[in-house]
This record gives sequence, structure tokens and C-alpha cells, in this order.
Amino acid sequence: GEDVEQSLFLSVREGDSSVINCTYTDSSSTYLYWYKQEPGAGLQLLTYIFSNMDMKQDQRLTVLLNKKDKHLSLRIADTQTGDSAIYFCAEIGGSGTYKYIFGTGTRLKVLA
Amino acid sequence: DAGVIQSPRHEVTEMGQEVTLRCKPISGHNSLFWYRQTMMRGLELLIYFNNNVPIDDSGMPEDRFSAKMPNASFSTLKIQPSEPRDSAVYFCASSFGENSNQPQHFGDGTRLSIL
Repeated sequence: GEDVEQSLFLSVREGDSSVINCTYTDSSSTYLYWYKQEPGAGLQLLTYIFSNMDMKQDQRLTVLLNKKDKHLSLRIADTQTGDSAIYFCAEIGGSGTYKYIFGTGTRLKVLA
Repeated sequence: DAGVIQSPRHEVTEMGQEVTLRCKPISGHNSLFWYRQTMMRGLELLIYFNNNVPIDDSGMPEDRFSAKMPNASFSTLKIQPSEPRDSAVYFCASSFGENSNQPQHFGDGTRLSIL
């Protein structure tokens, strides 16, 4: 079945760039999403990319998609302590699907 | 704009009691999802409604779990009787469209503890 994998932890210094990686197996994925979860809160949609795009930039966030390798990354420029959270990658398949496949989440810790 | 609203935010109750979790989706959204999040299993989809109709309840763990959506602005998830292994954070999410590529928007969740 479909699977989405992420590394569990990432630690960076404040001001550096963070890169969170995700791999998925469903070649029919149409949209891929990044969500942020802060302690005690729900999942906040950060950004998403359509599968025919290679890159999407939104302020400090850059999403890169390598469809051939089924690899998605989220780059956060000038990482701040407020970026400390768990980041989830999710994908949705082709037409007729509604079910997100979520990764396990990457816990980002930003060191002051 | 109001997001997805869930209540209560926290619930602590004894084993065997009935628990009812509530959700108000974003106005205009016609798809609603209930998820459960635990450390061991991550995020699990429990049930999906479209236009108030349950479309997929294959993720509902047992008959003790039931969900309803009596109208477009309200849904409940009920556990009766509750057990300690039901302790988790329960999220409601909504989106626009059916079989939709529109992103799901999540509530802040209900943290449920069954003693």
C-alpha cells in the first residue's frame, strides 16, 4: 500500500536553513502537503504543491518535488525558534480519492 | 474567519463512561474527517463524511465508536463504553468538495484521557 516516510528529528540553529525531507510511494499522487503541528494544537496547513510542479516558494518556505524519485522537501529559510514544531508531509492520490496518507512527522528543534 | 471548532478541548473520564466529541466544520465545507492521533500509530483516519453522509468508516476501530453528522455544520464522535486504550487526541478536519484535492483544515483537537 501507499507509504510516506520522514525522518523523526531535525535540529538546527536559529538563523540557519532547515530542510525537512519526505519520500512517498504512490506514483499517482496528485497533491502533496506540508502541515505544522505545534504542542497542544491541530495541524496547520503550511503549503502544498501539485504533482506537475517542481518547486513552490512562499515567503520563507520552499517546497521541492522530485517526482521521479518520489521525494518532497520543505526548506525553511532563516529558521526561528517559533518554527519549532512537528512537520507532517501528506499525499493524496489520483482522481476519486479523498484519503490523505500522512508521514510520521519530523520534530524540528531550533536552538537559540 | 472561524476555523474548524472542536469541543471539548480536554476530556478526562473513567473507563466505561460515554464520551461525545463535537465538531463544527468551516462554513461551506462539505467534507468532514475524524482522525485519531497517538504516539504509537500516528494519525489515523476514522471516518469520512461527504454532504453529511458517511462515505468511509473503515477506520472506526470497533462498534464502541460511532459518528454522526446531522447537518452541514455539526458532527459528533461517540465512544460508548470508553476504554483506557481510547486515550488519544481526536481531530476533526474539513474541506471543500468530494474526492477533493482541496486541502483539509484541522481543528485544535480534543485530548481524551480514559482512566
